[in-house]
Amino acid sequence: NAGVTQTPKFQVLKTGQSMTLQCAQDMNHEYMSWYRQDPGMGLRLIHYSVGAGITDQGEVPNGYNVSRSTTEDFPLRLLSAAPSQTSVYFCASSSPGQLYGYTFGSGTRLTVV
Amino acid sequence: AQTVTQSQPEMSVQEAETVTLSCTYDTSESDYYLFWYKQPPSRQMILVIRQEAYKQQNATENRFSVNFQKAAKSFSLKISDSQLGDAAMYFCAYRSGSGAGSYQLTFGKGTKLSVIP
Repeated sequence: NAGVTQTPKFQVLKTGQSMTLQCAQDMNHEYMSWYRQDPGMGLRLIHYSVGAGITDQGEVPNGYNVSRSTTEDFPLRLLSAAPSQTSVYFCASSSPGQLYGYTFGSGTRLTVV
Repeated sequence: AQTVTQSQPEMSVQEAETVTLSCTYDTSESDYYLFWYKQPPSRQMILVIRQEAYKQQNATENRFSVNFQKAAKSFSLKISDSQLGDAAMYFCAYRSGSGAGSYQLTFGKGTKLSVIP
């Protein structure tokens, strides 16, 4: 049982480049989310999805795009990378059962130079 | 919007001793869930303990327990018999019981716990 798989684990981008962070889960979870973690800021929600074809913005959505074509996959696209997007990115998934927290991927450390 | 506050950026504890990490939250909702996550240097987010707001009994998971004070909106984590492997960043998180807030977690800024041998 792989849980939530994120790729890549590390990435360096030049300002203005675009890239996609991949996220896949094999637990048949309906809810999926992307968070970014910055020092002293905790984790902040970028975008989330409650099912295939349904996405919405979180607290810090600017500069990011998402889509959800299948239950399993929820990629995060950086349209034109900026140094302010240097961060650690986490993908997470959950079932609608409110008792449960989210299961997190292992994170992607992104550096934009 | 809900907010979660962790007022202790850093704490330390002697091995085998007990430590309490503080968390307060602000909400007008009556149905919600609270969580403590552990993030060791490996960066993995690990669920430590959860609490349903409608339950008066404090949750316990082995050496980890919470002190849930609903009226005071306080949710502290107690770690007993601290071990070197407990050294990590700890995050308090809130999840609504319904509506858009139920699709996401709201996190505090974290407390870095050091364990002294």
